[in-house]
Amino acid sequence: NAGVTQTPKFQVLKTGQSMTLQCAQDMNHNSMYWYRQDPGMGLRLIYYSASEGTTDKGEVPNGYNVSRLNKREFSLRLESAAPSQTSVYFCASSEADRSYEQYFGPGTRLTVT
Amino acid sequence: GENVEQHPSTLSVQEGDSAVIKCTYSDSASNYFPWYKQELGKRPQLIIDIRSNVGEKKDQRIAVTLNKTAKHFSLHITETQPEDSAVYFCAASMGTGNQFYFGTGTSLTVIP
Repeated sequence: NAGVTQTPKFQVLKTGQSMTLQCAQDMNHNSMYWYRQDPGMGLRLIYYSASEGTTDKGEVPNGYNVSRLNKREFSLRLESAAPSQTSVYFCASSEADRSYEQYFGPGTRLTVT
Repeated sequence: GENVEQHPSTLSVQEGDSAVIKCTYSDSASNYFPWYKQELGKRPQLIIDIRSNVGEKKDQRIAVTLNKTAKHFSLHITETQPEDSAVYFCAASMGTGNQFYFGTGTSLTVIP
């Protein structure tokens, strides 16, 4: 049982390049989330998916798009990377019924130069 | 939207002393309040949570209290140990399938 996995672990992009961050969970969770973590700012929600087939904006969605590919996978896309998107990105998932606990992936450290 | 404020931003305690971290929230509709611990370079992990129908919850050396009227909740760690050193985040939410709003974190250092 791998839990929540993310790829890649590290990435360096030039301004204007695009990339997709991948996230997958094997816990059969309904809800999935993408956060960014910046020093002194805590975790800020970018997008979330309450269930397969739905996505909603969080606090800081500008510059990002998401796809809930199926129940297991939730990807985050940066179409034209900017230095302000340098951050650590965490994916999380949670079960809808019994527990609200969010399980986090290991994170992706992204640097945009 | 919800606004979660967390204090203090840094906290140093002697080993064996207690540590208290406080959070306030703004949206009375929030009904789920988790606390996460994040060690350096690692992912956040849930340590304790409380729902709005409960005023206090305890798990060994860790406890959380909730005051719905004041929109305030706190994390209490007793008999602190060096391995408690980490960043702690509070959050507020209306539960799974809804947004989670995190505080800005408290860096706790336990001095041996």
